[in-house]
Amino acid sequence: GNSVTQMEGPVTLSEEAFLTINCTYTATGYPSLFWYVQYPGEGLQLLLKATKADDKGSNKGFEATYRKETTSFHLEKGSVQVSDSAVYFCALSPPTDSWGKLQFGAGTQVVVTP
Amino acid sequence: NAGVTQTPKFQVLKTGQSMTLQCAQDMNHNSMYWYRQDPGMGLRLIYYSASEGTTDKGEVPNGYNVSRLNKREFSLRLESAAPSQTSVYFCASSERGWGEQFFGPGTRLTVL
Repeated sequence: GNSVTQMEGPVTLSEEAFLTINCTYTATGYPSLFWYVQYPGEGLQLLLKATKADDKGSNKGFEATYRKETTSFHLEKGSVQVSDSAVYFCALSPPTDSWGKLQFGAGTQVVVTP
Repeated sequence: NAGVTQTPKFQVLKTGQSMTLQCAQDMNHNSMYWYRQDPGMGLRLIYYSASEGTTDKGEVPNGYNVSRLNKREFSLRLESAAPSQTSVYFCASSERGWGEQFFGPGTRLTVL
């Protein structure tokens, strides 16, 4: 079946540090891949997405590249801010699913300190 | 444009009680979803509705029922609540395909 594996948190960083959150997936074919972010007390928001191999999604200084050869979609940001403290979820949408059902990873909590 | 709204925000139930969680979206989306979020487990799909008039089971449907009342509204019912259903519940909606979903703010449910 389809699955998503993320690095465990919490990840604690100082402001302006480099952030990487690893995400690998198992799926048949070419799924669409997503990163969602959940700020404290809120629902999930789409951060970025990629729909085919070698695509790079980017938003708010975050980037992730769809790597088919390593089945990965790692999230990176060059200089984090305190406001980036949140839980980050990697997710996939199977290519055979036209209704948009998502398979989520367990989430990675990121804490950025001043 | 409110997006996806959920009521209530918080609820405490006793074992065996019933309740309905309400969800509405104003984006004219076809598909709607109910998830539960538990620590260390990410979000798990309970039920979804691909389009008005249809509903299907997700990964963890036991103990729940749903109703797609119209295109805007999708409710989740717990007929006889159990402590294992203590969780945060999220409703989401999307256009068909592509998988991009928009989430509500969640309902925090505690079952004693």
